[in-house]
Amino acid sequence: GAVVSQHPSWVICKSGTSVKIECRSLDFQATTMFWYRQFPKQSLMLMATSNEGSKATYEQGVEKDKFLINHASLTLSTLTVTSAHPEDSSFYICSASRGYGYTFGSGTRLTVV
Amino acid sequence: AQTVTQSQPEMSVQEAETVTLSCTYDTSESDYYLFWYKQPPSRQMILVIRQEAYKQQNATENRFSVNFQKAAKSFSLKISDSQLGDAAMYFCAYWSSGGYQKVTFGTGTKLQVIP
Repeated sequence: GAVVSQHPSWVICKSGTSVKIECRSLDFQATTMFWYRQFPKQSLMLMATSNEGSKATYEQGVEKDKFLINHASLTLSTLTVTSAHPEDSSFYICSASRGYGYTFGSGTRLTVV
Repeated sequence: AQTVTQSQPEMSVQEAETVTLSCTYDTSESDYYLFWYKQPPSRQMILVIRQEAYKQQNATENRFSVNFQKAAKSFSLKISDSQLGDAAMYFCAYWSSGGYQKVTFGTGTKLQVIP
């Protein structure tokens, strides 16, 4: 149980375009989901907290207009990287809160060319 | 703010031997949870073990066990009978039920298992 599905697992996009990443809780309802960014050989950096039915809460330094988060249902949160640039290339991971602790998606590797 | 420190960027262990990964944390809260997550080359985050702060007994999961010292704010992970599949990044993490409920991760320890 407590499975989180994240898609796509890998995406390449052209600079200036937008990319949407989906995070779904498959067998439980997740009122809160989290989006992380991970640079090579580094730890996970929390970008934002996604709450169902309300605006996301962004960490300091994260551009709200660039990283749009929507949590329209109890099982789906999406992260849209708008007007992507090469510096946005990274590994993005979502996780869903399940009581005490988290379940993570498998991550999305974004490459902007 | 809570902080989690992993002072060992890299560790290595011989197959079948035992290795201990260190983690310290700082918090002013009394009710919280501590975790060890494993991130293999696939980059999928996998929960290894969880410890509730109110429990004095150290958590164990098969070959994985922790040494939880609440007063010292220390939370080390012991891997016994190390296997090649244990090679991965290991992240220590802190979570509390109050406030923001976000997880704070350490910087990670890369574990190499030598055949």
